[in-house]
Amino acid sequence: EIVLTQSPGTLPLSPGERATLSCRASQSVTSNYLAWYQQKPGQAPRLLIYGASTRAAGIPDRFSGSGSGTDFTLTISSLEPEDFAVYFCQQYHRSSTFGQGTTVEIK
Amino acid sequence: EVQLVQSGAEVKKPGESLKISCKGSGYTFATSWIGWVRQVPGKGLEWMGIIYPDDSDIRYSPSFQGQVTISADKSIGTAYLQWNSVKASDTALYYCARHGRAGYSNSYFESWGQGTLVTVSS
Repeated sequence: EIVLTQSPGTLPLSPGERATLSCRASQSVTSNYLAWYQQKPGQAPRLLIYGASTRAAGIPDRFSGSGSGTDFTLTISSLEPEDFAVYFCQQYHRSSTFGQGTTVEIK
Repeated sequence: EVQLVQSGAEVKKPGESLKISCKGSGYTFATSWIGWVRQVPGKGLEWMGIIYPDDSDIRYSPSFQGQVTISADKSIGTAYLQWNSVKASDTALYYCARHGRAGYSNSYFESWGQGTLVTVSS
């Protein structure tokens, strides 16, 4: 099973700041089969990025994904108030697994 | 518009059986993989397994193999997750979600249901 480790666990930032979230895989995720989701309290997860770097429909361009192999990054270029949430990565290369999540909170 | 509508919250006693459902609409249900994801309140997401309704091809996570049963009835566009005997540790929020890569067993989840809260307590 591919284990995904997200860091940091919590990221305290202010609106307007840049957020950089990491997702590291225990084995190479070939074909960049890596997705990112946003989850707000009381809501289902929402797909942000798939294929490591392709934004899902309707996702603002302040969200971007990058990386390959075992190291992937989600960047939010300038945090809006609605971006404070929990973010999960998911690999779908071999079966599928999720990371444990990163909470982006207001500093 | 793709919609996944899940059945309502359940409260069960340990040892009871349970079946929750997820009805898809707005797309061709039979030819899209649909999966189940568990979330213990305040915790992360766990991929449980997926089903291809057209031929009931099922893939389970090793962590959930033998613990739950995934099924689907393509005639009514509904997927199911069931337990023969629930335990307190099954208390969680369960989401169904549809694959984004049409026809592929390995995919991200493009659309999600609203979740079904299952509480198991004596």
